[in-house]
Amino acid sequence: DIQVTQSPSSLLASLGERVTITCQTSQSISNNLNWYQQKPGQAPMLLIYYATSLQTGMPSRFSGQYSGRSFTLTITSLEPEDIANYFCLQHYSAPWTFGGGTKLELK
Amino acid sequence: EVKLVESGGGLVQPGRSLKLSCAASGFSFNDYWMGWVRQAPGKGLEWIGEINQDSSTINYTPSLKDKFTISRDNAQNTLYLQMSKLGSEDTAIYYCARGDYYPDYWGQGVMVTVSS
Repeated sequence: DIQVTQSPSSLLASLGERVTITCQTSQSISNNLNWYQQKPGQAPMLLIYYATSLQTGMPSRFSGQYSGRSFTLTITSLEPEDIANYFCLQHYSAPWTFGGGTKLELK
Repeated sequence: EVKLVESGGGLVQPGRSLKLSCAASGFSFNDYWMGWVRQAPGKGLEWIGEINQDSSTINYTPSLKDKFTISRDNAQNTLYLQMSKLGSEDTAIYYCARGDYYPDYWGQGVMVTVSS
């Protein structure tokens, strides 16, 4: 199975701050990685697909980049509604595997 | 609007079986692969498996293959997860998700607690 290591597991940030979350995969997966946002009690929502493509309807302050086996999710300027859990998913090969998640909280 | 609503969860005794359902609406159900994912308390997400449009292909994560069965009823726009020989390690929130190459829409999840 492909291992996905996500960091940090938790993050304190201020409104307006730039936030970066990283996922590292155990082997090359090309760009087959997605980012999701999940708020308590709600369904996960797709943010970024194929590493860099912004899902329709999601704010442009969210962006994804990758280089080799390292993938990053960036929020350029943190808004109150961005407080949530974030996780990545590799869909290069079965079984799909997930990062451990990042809990983003307000400082 | 795409909507996925899981049901059938609850408290179940160890060793028993349970069947979850996922009612889909807002899209053409029989055009999509569907899958199940779970998250145990304090743990990360785990992909359980997926089923294609006509149920001819069903893939499972190997460690769960003998315990879980995924099926669907396209006439009822419903996805199912049959779980057997449940143990405490199966206590989790279970999510259904739509997706051909990756999950794009998820349900809110249903809690399954395995305890005597």
